[in-house]
Amino acid sequence: GAVVSQHPSRVICKSGTSVKIECRSLDFQATTMFWYRQFPKKSLMLMATSNEGSKATYEQGVEKDKFLINHASLTLSTLTVTSAHPEDSSFYICSAGVSNEKLFFGSGTQLSVL
Amino acid sequence: EDQVTQSPEALRLQEGESSSLNCSYTVSGLRGLFWYRQDPGKGPEFLFTLYSAGEEKEKERLKATLTKKESFLHITAPKPEDSATYLCAVSENTPLVFGKGTRLSVIA
Repeated sequence: GAVVSQHPSRVICKSGTSVKIECRSLDFQATTMFWYRQFPKKSLMLMATSNEGSKATYEQGVEKDKFLINHASLTLSTLTVTSAHPEDSSFYICSAGVSNEKLFFGSGTQLSVL
Repeated sequence: EDQVTQSPEALRLQEGESSSLNCSYTVSGLRGLFWYRQDPGKGPEFLFTLYSAGEEKEKERLKATLTKKESFLHITAPKPEDSATYLCAVSENTPLVFGKGTRLSVIA
């Protein structure tokens, strides 16, 4: 089946630094990728929809200047958490697919901001 | 109001003790209902997609069913390796909307 690779799986950084998370579709081309955030024992909250070659669509309440999304190719989307603070600590997950009905998830990135 | 509500929030079963997880939804134009399994520290793993009321799908010890208002994930004779969080999601004309999940623990 289709595979979505997410890297890194875990990152610890100091407050004020920026962190980049990569999401790759390994065996298919993804014009659309999704970025989610998940708090412990909570569900996935959609942050933004990443569209290849155009600006991402952010959900209400998500700061686009804080969470920069770049979808430069059909197989790669990146999420950069800029000037990270402890409240940005969370589990970030990407997904990609040819349609909503065939959506595959990355393995997630646990971000801890000290 | 949440569009997707899952119950119970947590479920503890003895090995072999069958049970069902519930997912109720309020979207009007359902295009698909999805079940995922999520292990701690991992991304969700796709299990099933259901499209219309009356549809059923099975995979090993799991069977998913769908009505016009809810879906059930039946687990028959569960094993400890079935312990995970089970997420339900619906698709209308938007990206998937997820429920909060049911944390299942199967005790040997």
